[in-house]
Amino acid sequence: GESVGLHLPTLSVQEGDNSIINCAYSNSASDYFIWYKQESGKGPQFIIDIRSNMDKRQGQRVTVLLNKTVKHLSLQIAATQPGDSAVYFCAEKRTGGGADGLTFGKGTHLIIQP
Amino acid sequence: EAGVAQSPRYKIIEKRQSVAFWCNPISGHATLYWYQQILGQGPKLLIQFQNNGVVDDSQLPKDRFSAERLKGVDSTLKIQPAKLEDSAVYLCASRANGRNIQYFGAGTRLSVL
Repeated sequence: GESVGLHLPTLSVQEGDNSIINCAYSNSASDYFIWYKQESGKGPQFIIDIRSNMDKRQGQRVTVLLNKTVKHLSLQIAATQPGDSAVYFCAEKRTGGGADGLTFGKGTHLIIQP
Repeated sequence: EAGVAQSPRYKIIEKRQSVAFWCNPISGHATLYWYQQILGQGPKLLIQFQNNGVVDDSQLPKDRFSAERLKGVDSTLKIQPAKLEDSAVYLCASRANGRNIQYFGAGTRLSVL
């Protein structure tokens, strides 16, 4: 079925290193992708998004890469900090119609080692 | 700018009881969503409103779940009767017209015993 998933449930990195979180999607009709960060007890917080007509988009310390050929999405976090510890979700949707709820993957728990 | 407000933050009920959750979206956001997030999973869409009309409720278990947004601003999600498997965090999100980003509230954590 159509789904968005993540390759690893847990990712452990050293403080100061770069983190890469991967995501695979299967709906080729999706044209919008978004990354959220969710800390314990809080709702998902927007990090960065990208439309399907782009391959790369950069924010502050974060970069999202989109490879439509293999339906793969990744989130890169530069110089990881303790405050980056959270569960990261990718989500996708198809824009242009009225119904545009997001389809989420299961999430990757990012753990920052001191 | 105030974010999406939800209440209560926590609710504990027994199975077969009823429960209601409330959401007030970001001011001016016409589109409102309810998601269910079971522990260890990503959020799953339950229903989408545009103003006071339902856009998508295809994943809403309509035999027990209902939602309304009568005046096109705040919204209520109800479960009647609750089952054990309804234990989850219920998230509300809103989006401005012409924009893609959905902003989420902190959620209501429901435990059904």
